[in-house]
Amino acid sequence: DADVTQTPRNRITKTGKRIMLECSQTKGHDRMYWYRQDPGLGLRLIYYSFDVKDINKGEISDGYSVSRQAQAKFSLSLESAIPNQTALYFCATSDSTGVNEKLFFGSGTQLSVL
Amino acid sequence: GESVGLHLPTLSVQEGDNSIINCAYSNSASDYFIWYKQESGKGPQFIIDIRSNMDKRQGQRVTVLLNKTVKHLSLQIAATQPGDSAVYFCAEPLPAGNKLTFGGGTRVLVKP
Repeated sequence: DADVTQTPRNRITKTGKRIMLECSQTKGHDRMYWYRQDPGLGLRLIYYSFDVKDINKGEISDGYSVSRQAQAKFSLSLESAIPNQTALYFCATSDSTGVNEKLFFGSGTQLSVL
Repeated sequence: GESVGLHLPTLSVQEGDNSIINCAYSNSASDYFIWYKQESGKGPQFIIDIRSNMDKRQGQRVTVLLNKTVKHLSLQIAATQPGDSAVYFCAEPLPAGNKLTFGGGTRVLVKP
């Protein structure tokens, strides 16, 4: 079983719809992250959480929200999806408390907004 | 990280040859760097890391070289195999610390 599990793997939705992407982990890590990947671009940080109820904005948080109700779960929501949010979304975890941020990634969720 | 637009830099390598993937980083104060490998349909996976007090670190078939003078990082893969075909990313901590920023990636294609 995967240590970092993302659901769904693929999602097609329409402009204006609310979408939630789920991430769960069995690694026991405190830190969780949501990244977005666009074709030909690197990973960009959307939100991150260092503990339950701790929420921090990343580089591109506009249009997104997150929830960290339990250590093992970190969900990403698009309140009103728009086409330029079409991308591959990755959840990641880490247990580092220093600067050595070795991240463990899920398999990704491909989201298409029509 | 650097944006490279819609087209990733691509390195075509003959199976069995060595591969060298380059990365320029932006923060001269960064003291830690990581290389990730992303295969098609999968999330990035950790390959190797290096601290700034080193200029070279070796793993299994991979070597990372760090040149702090010119802020350059490279990943060398020895005897490249078909399973090495992937996109490779370098990453460094953001100036605020405790978060990573990723380069745009380099695609490696291994020719049989």
